[in-house]
Amino acid sequence: NAGVTQTPKFQVLKTGQSMTLQCAQDMNHEYMSWYRQDPGMGLRLIHYSVGAGITDQGEVPNGYNVSRSTTEDFPLRLLSAAPSQTSVYFCASSYEREGRDTQYFGPGTRLTVL
Amino acid sequence: AQSVTQLDSHVSVSEGTPVLLRCNYSSSYSPSLFWYVQHPNKGLQLLLKYTSAATLVKGINGFEAEFKKSETSFHLTKPSAHMSDAAEYFCVVSDPRTGGYQKVTFGIGTKLQVIP
Repeated sequence: NAGVTQTPKFQVLKTGQSMTLQCAQDMNHEYMSWYRQDPGMGLRLIHYSVGAGITDQGEVPNGYNVSRSTTEDFPLRLLSAAPSQTSVYFCASSYEREGRDTQYFGPGTRLTVL
Repeated sequence: AQSVTQLDSHVSVSEGTPVLLRCNYSSSYSPSLFWYVQHPNKGLQLLLKYTSAATLVKGINGFEAEFKKSETSFHLTKPSAHMSDAAEYFCVVSDPRTGGYQKVTFGIGTKLQVIP
């Protein structure tokens, strides 16, 4: 198993540009999440999904959209990038049998918005 | 509501000496508690998880943590630090009562420096 994969690893955007951060998992996990990590703030939940076709907002959803058309994929879209979205983004997945809160993390995407 | 406080933002130890990373939590019920480790420019890896089966939890790489309800603490320890332990460590709390998606709360992290 590849586990949780994220692409790209690094990205630089200009203010106002849009892009999609990709996340995929091959463990057939029901639950998937997106977090952002900023210095001194831990990880904060952006959006999450409890299964294909079902998503919901987390703590800091503004400026981000998600969709989940398959169990495996959970892309995060930035519609109009802003410098405040400069951060490291992590995707995570979990499944009921091990515990919904036991998460497996991807390697992260480092995003800089100029 | 749940919260978690990591009492030290930075901890520095010499190689071969004990490690203590402190975490206090707040939860209205019996929580699940986790420690994750993040090496530089890497994702988060689960070190250990407490779910009320035993108060002393053993994790990977020689780490362990003790759940103390009376002190609302879940400190992470290791008897002897290794250079490869240099990383950032996150304490995480969740309330397992809620159905559906399980939101967790992360601490702000403790950076562990190991001095040769």
